[in-house]
Amino acid sequence: GENVEQHPSTLSVQEGDSAVIKCTYSDSASNYFPWYKQELGKRPQLIIDIRSNVGEKKDQRIAVTLNKTAKHFSLHITETQPEDSAVYFCAVLSGYALNFGKGTSLLVTP
Amino acid sequence: DAGITQSPRHKVTETGTPVTLRCHQTENHRYMYWYRQDPGHGLRLIHYSYGVKDTDKGEVSDGYSVSRSKTEDFLLTLESATSSQTSVYFCAISESLGSGGYEKLFFGSGTQLSVL
Repeated sequence: GENVEQHPSTLSVQEGDSAVIKCTYSDSASNYFPWYKQELGKRPQLIIDIRSNVGEKKDQRIAVTLNKTAKHFSLHITETQPEDSAVYFCAVLSGYALNFGKGTSLLVTP
Repeated sequence: DAGITQSPRHKVTETGTPVTLRCHQTENHRYMYWYRQDPGHGLRLIHYSYGVKDTDKGEVSDGYSVSRSKTEDFLLTLESATSSQTSVYFCAISESLGSGGYEKLFFGSGTQLSVL
């Protein structure tokens, strides 16, 4: 199946700073790349996604960039807030299912 | 939140016993999935279904079987539970993942399974 590598596994930033999480994938035919956020004890929820015909997508303080040539995509969170603290998962569509990265635990300290 | 319910929410069982987890949806979505979540491994796909009686294996399907006899129910069975199957199990549903349409995956609340 699709191999999805996610880095870093943990990330600690101060409130107001930016956070960047990067994922790489192996299948050049992949065309859908979502990001999910999981707060402690909760279910994962979609926060943003991007398709292969788009290079960047923004939604308020979060953005995702895609480099299809290099086969990597990144999540950018600006002006981080304590409520951004969570585990973030990237994913790649493979057929009719999503293959997830191993997750990044983001801690935003006041 | 999408209408998706997992049962039971928590279960403790012994090695070698059969276990069935249930996922029930009220959204009439075509696609249903079972993932397991373990520290350091993220979310790993066990099995998925793309219609009634249509299922396929994921990357960690060994030791698990599934059945979908109705659109709304997707069952995950551990035929003979082992300690390595201690995990949090998430069911997820999608209206049209892979079709190029609205592809959001909705997750259930999860089942914490402990195999002693």
